[in-house]
Amino acid sequence: GENVEQHPSTLSVQEGDSAVIKCTYSDSASNYFPWYKQELGKGPQLIIDIRSNVGEKKDQRIAVTLNKTAKHFSLHITETQPEDSAVYFCAAFGANAGKSTFGDGTTLTVKP
Amino acid sequence: ETGVTQTPRHLVMGMTNKKSLKCEQHLGHNAMYWYKQSAKKPLELMFVYSLEERVENNSVPSRFSPECPNSSHLFLHLHTLQPEDSALYLCASSQNRGQETQYFGPGTRLLVL
Repeated sequence: GENVEQHPSTLSVQEGDSAVIKCTYSDSASNYFPWYKQELGKGPQLIIDIRSNVGEKKDQRIAVTLNKTAKHFSLHITETQPEDSAVYFCAAFGANAGKSTFGDGTTLTVKP
Repeated sequence: ETGVTQTPRHLVMGMTNKKSLKCEQHLGHNAMYWYKQSAKKPLELMFVYSLEERVENNSVPSRFSPECPNSSHLFLHLHTLQPEDSALYLCASSQNRGQETQYFGPGTRLLVL
């Protein structure tokens, strides 16, 4: 089955700096890669996603890049703010949601 | 507010109790999911329903029994649970089953004593 590895498990940055979280996946059939942000006491919220026919996608301060050959994708947050502090999860989806696999999560702390 | 609600938000139960978790989505979606989120473990997909039909059951013990009476409601019936079943149970929905954005509810924090 699919295996998703996410690094780092914790990340602390100064406000205004950039943060990068990386995920690797094992199943070359996976072709949908969402990123979720989970704040304390809440469920995960989609922040950005990318499909395998696209190499990069950007939405304001957030961007995701995908390298299909190397089977890894990354989340980039620029100009971080304290409200970006949360747990971030990557996921890899196969042909149907029954093959969705999530990473272990990264706890991001943005220090003011 | 994602349009997916879950009740109760917190639940404490003994190993011999029977309880049910409820999820409701107001998004007109056709697919609904149950996930288990344990401390220091990745999200685990438990069940998938598409158009009220169960399409995935990822080797979940029979003490967890899902029910989807219509496309807007999803239940997870619990009986004779174990302490290791304590976790955050998340419900999600998407327009259709597959590679589509899933919208999560806030979860039910379950503690089994």
